[in-house]
Amino acid sequence: KQEVTQIPAALSVPEGENLVLNCSFTDSAIYNLQWFRQDPGKGLTSLLLIQSSQREQTSGRLNASLDKSSGRSTLYIAASQPGDSATYLCAVGVGANSKLTFGKGITLSVRP
Amino acid sequence: GAVVSQHPSRVICKSGTSVKIECRSLDFQATTMFWYRQFPKQSLMLMATSNEGSKATYEQGVEKDKFLINHASLTLSTLTVTSAHPEDSSFYICSATDRAETQYFGPGTRLLVL
Repeated sequence: KQEVTQIPAALSVPEGENLVLNCSFTDSAIYNLQWFRQDPGKGLTSLLLIQSSQREQTSGRLNASLDKSSGRSTLYIAASQPGDSATYLCAVGVGANSKLTFGKGITLSVRP
Repeated sequence: GAVVSQHPSRVICKSGTSVKIECRSLDFQATTMFWYRQFPKQSLMLMATSNEGSKATYEQGVEKDKFLINHASLTLSTLTVTSAHPEDSSFYICSATDRAETQYFGPGTRLLVL
């Protein structure tokens, strides 16, 4: 059974800092991996999608990497801003149109 | 990007009543929709996979007679929580996949059962 772990559960950093959020998964036979952002009481916003054949994806100040063999992914946020404060969820999919297995998320607080 | 809506966004009901939640893909056709449940400070847990025109596939431990799912068209899936109890209070989120296999999530529905 696939398990997705995100540690730590919460992180607080000063504005402007570059930071890395970690995600690990137990079964390396994944189809893709996705990073989401969730604001309090809201739904999910997809940030980056990495297919199993890819090593990384970039969008603006965000960069996500994937190492299938070691069961790890990282989300790099450059020059963090208070508006980046949210919960960041990592999820893995095992096939096309397949269900996602989520981690519990990392709640990020960026202090002005 | 693609948009998925949910209605209602928030509902409060009495114990024993039934509640229907709608999930719509607004600008694309979704052959597959998923229903998730999220408890406070917990991860999203998949409840069921809904395919247009066929019966939903439920995850282990999810009662199909309590959580009725109907996927009547390529843009609409509904989740009905029957005879709701306080322990059913949760945040329910749907998602829909487009032809590029990307999942788009709805804004969620907060259910509170008194």
